[in-house]
Amino acid sequence: AQKITQTQPGMFVQEKEAVTLDCTYDTSDPSYGLFWYKQPSSGEMIFLIYQGSYDQQNATEGRYSLNFQKARKSANLVISASQLGDSAMYFCAMREGGGGTASKLTFGTGTRLQVTL
Amino acid sequence: DAGVIQSPRHEVTEMGQEVTLRCKPISGHDYLFWYRQTMMRGLELLIYFNNNVPIDDSGMPEDRFSAKMPNASFSTLKIQPSEPRDSAVYFCATPQVTSGRARGELFFGEGSRLTVL
Repeated sequence: AQKITQTQPGMFVQEKEAVTLDCTYDTSDPSYGLFWYKQPSSGEMIFLIYQGSYDQQNATEGRYSLNFQKARKSANLVISASQLGDSAMYFCAMREGGGGTASKLTFGTGTRLQVTL
Repeated sequence: DAGVIQSPRHEVTEMGQEVTLRCKPISGHDYLFWYRQTMMRGLELLIYFNNNVPIDDSGMPEDRFSAKMPNASFSTLKIQPSEPRDSAVYFCATPQVTSGRARGELFFGEGSRLTVL
């Protein structure tokens, strides 16, 4: 079974609108972390936002927020006020087990976001 | 700190040739990860090291692949002999400890794009 599932291969959003990128995960470990990365066309992997399984509040980082629904095992990324520079591939990833430096991340297949004028 | 540095950025070689990819991790981190990204399989963990010792190499596709970390500031991923199906982007990454709380997000190098003809 896939540990991380991203069901949207591609998404379009108009500039200045909000967009939600879906991510569901599967783990039996009570302690885990969820991450979102952005990969622009230049190829680098850019860390965006983190949510720990025991965090009580949804994570936010500027225009990025994570809609964490633990019972549904979903960790959707919300980008508010989209900008042209947000056009990229977005990957959801999970770390099973507690925090620390053994950050063995499992990645989803990604969603390609295109921001239009 | 210059971040994770990988070389070469691009490599084009012929089938059967030996390929060596290099990584200089962020100093002070004791874990190092090698990932491979392809269109078909996405981002896959190949191997990771702790204190220069390989901990999990279950993702290494076959014996043609080998990785070493002779010291804390250098790692290599070698493919010998290379095959066209090895064409991919190979990323090196190290974890980041943030604000005293080890969340485990990875900082990636810019990747080495390998093309095997």
